[in-house]
Amino acid sequence: GAVVSQHPSWVICKSGTSVKIECRSLDFQATTMFWYRQFPKQSLMLMATSNEGSKATYEQGVEKDKFLINHASLTLSTLTVTSAHPEDSSFYICSARVDSGVYEQYFGPGTRLTVT
Amino acid sequence: DAKTTQPTSMDCAEGRAANLPCNHSTISGNEYVYWYRQIHSQGPQYIIHGLKNNETNEMASLIITEDRKSSTLILPHATLRDTAVYYCIVRVGGYGGATNKLIFGTGTLLAVQP
Repeated sequence: GAVVSQHPSWVICKSGTSVKIECRSLDFQATTMFWYRQFPKQSLMLMATSNEGSKATYEQGVEKDKFLINHASLTLSTLTVTSAHPEDSSFYICSARVDSGVYEQYFGPGTRLTVT
Repeated sequence: DAKTTQPTSMDCAEGRAANLPCNHSTISGNEYVYWYRQIHSQGPQYIIHGLKNNETNEMASLIITEDRKSSTLILPHATLRDTAVYYCIVRVGGYGGATNKLIFGTGTLLAVQP
């Protein structure tokens, strides 16, 4: 199957700083990527849809100025958590959608963010 | 997207078949049934998908009822490594625009017992 990578796999940052997470589709092009967040013992929550060449579409309740998304190319999307606070500590997972067929989505391994 | 309902948890003995049910009674004609699983602290892994015919791959089989209102994921010989949360999701196939996104429910925690 298609491979999606994320970097870093885990990060610890201080409150008030910003953190950037990268998501790459390694063996396919993805016009559309998705960012999810998962708190402990909860399901994945879709945060936003990242579209190459245009602005991201955010789900209701997700602050677009806090979670900056840039889809720089057909294989790279980044999520920047700005002015991070302890409540932003979570597991962030990206997903890339294949641009053909039934447009399957493949997921990255996730990034564990801890804000101290 | 149509909503799905799944049991919260299930147990299965190692080596036996695991049958995971999913109810999607409001599924639309152009929506596919997708199954993903998530092993602890990892990203979800695609398992299988189908529209109306039964499907089989190297990981599992998917049985969809004739009225498409429910489906069953079958892991033929469960191993300890199959312990995970299994998600059943319905989604429009094809590009679908803004509606073509995977929305996760609570899933079923499958515990494979030795």
